[in-house]
Amino acid sequence: NAGVTQTPKFQVLKTGQSMTLQCAQDMNHNSMYWYRQDPGMGLRLIYYSASEGTTDKGEVPNGYNVSRLNKREFSLRLESAAPSQTSVYFCASSEVGLANYGYTFGSGTRLTVV
Amino acid sequence: AQSVTQLDSHVSVSEGTPVLLRCNYSSSYSPSLFWYVQHPNKGLQLLLKYTSAATLVKGINGFEAEFKKSETSFHLTKPSAHMSDAAEYFCVVRYPGANNLFFGTGTRLTVIP
Repeated sequence: NAGVTQTPKFQVLKTGQSMTLQCAQDMNHNSMYWYRQDPGMGLRLIYYSASEGTTDKGEVPNGYNVSRLNKREFSLRLESAAPSQTSVYFCASSEVGLANYGYTFGSGTRLTVV
Repeated sequence: AQSVTQLDSHVSVSEGTPVLLRCNYSSSYSPSLFWYVQHPNKGLQLLLKYTSAATLVKGINGFEAEFKKSETSFHLTKPSAHMSDAAEYFCVVRYPGANNLFFGTGTRLTVIP
């Protein structure tokens, strides 16, 4: 099925550990995004990639790094996990250039940092 | 500052009664507007979007929303709630020139049998 695939779906980390969240889309979209979702705060943008080869900070980038590996893949890395990074992470993609576009979201990664 | 406000964090309705989820945006310009739904432990699904054509937008599952520029609102409605509508709903805005979307804080809809 076409869409956005995120791995893993669940992860528990100890404080200070590192990990990479993977995201891939097969819709030939140019733009990809990483959001975190916390109770009562909606979704907040961490980083985005408007096109292959570019990345930009969003609203809450501290503690994260990203890599736009190719047009399909956009990974999010936590170098030294902290309990404040316990959250649900969503990857999304969209086609830039249209006047009104929506996002296609992955099913999320639930991360717990202990 | 650009923002989007969902006026109710929680709405509770009886099955078969109308649903109204409120959303206001802040902008002098007409933005792109969306409603997304998130069922428990699931990703976000697009319900409908405003494309600057008709101000009354119809979406999936019987939902619709009306864009009112004079009130800077984009409220989501459904004539008759179903148990399967119980979920969290997000009003989302893309402002002209912005590369990303702004999310409201969400409204949790409970449907009482």
